[in-house]
Amino acid sequence: AQKITQTQPGMFVQEKEAVTLDCTYDTSDQSYGLFWYKQPSSGEMIFLIYQGSYDEQNATEGRYSLNFQKARKSANLVISASQLGDSAMYFCAMREREDSNYQLIWGAGTKLIIKP
Amino acid sequence: DGGITQSPKYLFRKEGQNVTLSCEQNLNHDAMYWYRQDPGQGLRLIYYSQIVNDFQKGDIAEGYSVSREKKESFPLTVTSAQKNPTAFYLCASSNLHGQANQPQHFGDGTRLSIL
Repeated sequence: AQKITQTQPGMFVQEKEAVTLDCTYDTSDQSYGLFWYKQPSSGEMIFLIYQGSYDEQNATEGRYSLNFQKARKSANLVISASQLGDSAMYFCAMREREDSNYQLIWGAGTKLIIKP
Repeated sequence: DGGITQSPKYLFRKEGQNVTLSCEQNLNHDAMYWYRQDPGQGLRLIYYSQIVNDFQKGDIAEGYSVSREKKESFPLTVTSAQKNPTAFYLCASSNLHGQANQPQHFGDGTRLSIL
């Protein structure tokens, strides 16, 4: 079964609008971490934001915030005031703390295109 | 600047040939990883290493080999046994100790194609 599910293969959003990228996860661990990465067309993976399972507040980093709903096992990325440079693939990933190898489990990604 | 350097950026392989992708990091990270990414797909783990002279298979290790003789270096060899090697290969590193929020840091990737 998929441990990380990103249900939106692609999204078109008008510039300056906010966008929400969905991510649901499946784990039996009580302690885990969730990461979002951005991959522009050039290929590099850029770390955006992290949410720990015990964090009481939603994580924020500049225009990025994470809508963390633990009971629903969802960790949606919200990008405010989208810009043309936000066009990229976005990946959600999870680290399960019981996995002592500290590996990340990756979703399939969402391709975001910002329209001018 | 600290970071991860992958080379070459583009690589072409002939049938029956082994090729080696380089990955070097100067972040003093303990762990290093190799991922494969096919077009429109997520990342799949090939191999990872937590310590020098030790490495573990990931989900798709068949047809690949690695070595970790130095902390800074984790080269990946794509052998002739890998029948479908055309993909984008990403190397990453991370600290194993410290806060759980430490992300994996990535290189710029190598695009491998079959001639």
